[in-house]
Amino acid sequence: DIVMTQSPDSLAVSLGERATINCKSRQSVLYSSNNKNFLAWYQQKPGQPPKLLIYWASTRESGVPDRFSGSGSGTDFTLTISSLQAEDVAVYYCQQYYITPYTFGQGTRLEIK
Amino acid sequence: QITLKESGPTLVKPTQTLTLTCTFSGFSLSTSGVGVGWIRQPPGKALEWLALIYWDEDKRYSPSLKSRLTITKDTSKNQVVLRMTNMDPVDTATYFCAHEDHRAFDVWGQGTMVTVSS
Repeated sequence: DIVMTQSPDSLAVSLGERATINCKSRQSVLYSSNNKNFLAWYQQKPGQPPKLLIYWASTRESGVPDRFSGSGSGTDFTLTISSLQAEDVAVYYCQQYYITPYTFGQGTRLEIK
Repeated sequence: QITLKESGPTLVKPTQTLTLTCTFSGFSLSTSGVGVGWIRQPPGKALEWLALIYWDEDKRYSPSLKSRLTITKDTSKNQVVLRMTNMDPVDTATYFCAHEDHRAFDVWGQGTMVTVSS
């Protein structure tokens, strides 16, 4: 299995400030034939299912605000929220879909400072 | 618009078999590249991928649960069924089904909470 490790486990950021969440995979999730990273980011608010934010490591899902961005390649990835809004309080998960069993990170809880 | 909805029992006894149904609309599970997966989340814990079925009947399972899981589809009914045998209290969780294409799990159901208790 590809183990996904997120850091930090929790994060408190002031409104309007930048939030950065990291995700590391134990092996590369870059598919060489199409040069795409099979890495997704989800946002989950209490009592709700996860919501897809980013796929292919850096492609924003339709309707997701542009303050959310993804970067990285191979084994190291980052989700950045450029200017934190109150509605961004949630738990964020990365997931590799390079190979089954698909695996998720342990989650990062984002709060307002 | 793609929607998915999970249904099944909210309470099962230890050793019983859990059967969950995912009823979906807005897509066909006979379309190339499409899949439906099951993911669960114990209370207060992280997401765990369980199983996936593709348009071509290809089935994938979590290795740690493979002996207990069966995933099937009924394309005519727009349903995917997950069976999990020998339920245990540690299997208490919210169970989600989700649509998958090249964009990972882009649409999720609301989830159904299953409690395992005698």
